[in-house]
Amino acid sequence: DQQVKQNSPSLSVQEGRISILNCDYTNSMFDYFLWYKKYPAEGPTFLISISSIKDKNEDGRFTVFLNKSAKHLSLHIVPSQPGDSAVYFCAASEGRAAGNKLTFGGGTRVLVKP
Amino acid sequence: DAEITQSPRHKITETGRQVTLACHQTWNHNNMFWYRQDLGHGLRLIHYSYGVQDTNKGEVSDGYSVSRSNTEDLPLTLESAASSQTSVYFCASSAGSGANVLTFGAGSRLTVL
Repeated sequence: DQQVKQNSPSLSVQEGRISILNCDYTNSMFDYFLWYKKYPAEGPTFLISISSIKDKNEDGRFTVFLNKSAKHLSLHIVPSQPGDSAVYFCAASEGRAAGNKLTFGGGTRVLVKP
Repeated sequence: DAEITQSPRHKITETGRQVTLACHQTWNHNNMFWYRQDLGHGLRLIHYSYGVQDTNKGEVSDGYSVSRSNTEDLPLTLESAASSQTSVYFCASSAGSGANVLTFGAGSRLTVL
């Protein structure tokens, strides 16, 4: 049973508009969440994270929102750019210590159209 | 610059053969992980290590083994390759302290015929 789910396998958005990626989790012990971005033929790269003590974290065009009661988080990209076209993975862990294992969702492929 | 490298990047093998995928990092990170990526499943943890001589099983460890004889390397061995092990494999590492942000290698695509 997947503990982290990304129910939208793909998303298409026009350049300049907002991209919203969603992620749901079932394990109530998860308290640290990350988003990774992956280009073809490359490894995933860290994008942004949020701790459960917060409900929002912002870094430039990227904002992650966390709704603990709904066990839901989302990533907003505003404005979307063609270079944002990639696969995005949501990940979660029990605690933010360096050795804690990450559980990943299935990924959402984003296509930003010029 | 520090990096994490995987080899080979692509490999085709036959069912039943032993295969080893190499992972080498120069970050001096204590923690190293192996994940496999499959469509619809995202990244699933195979094995991980918190330091030299330490190895642990992840959620999909059957048919795989790892060894950690030094800080830099965590080779992944498929004892007897199966078609179900056709996948893209990613090695990752993280520092011994601080947040658990993983640094990933570029991946190894393995095809088992």
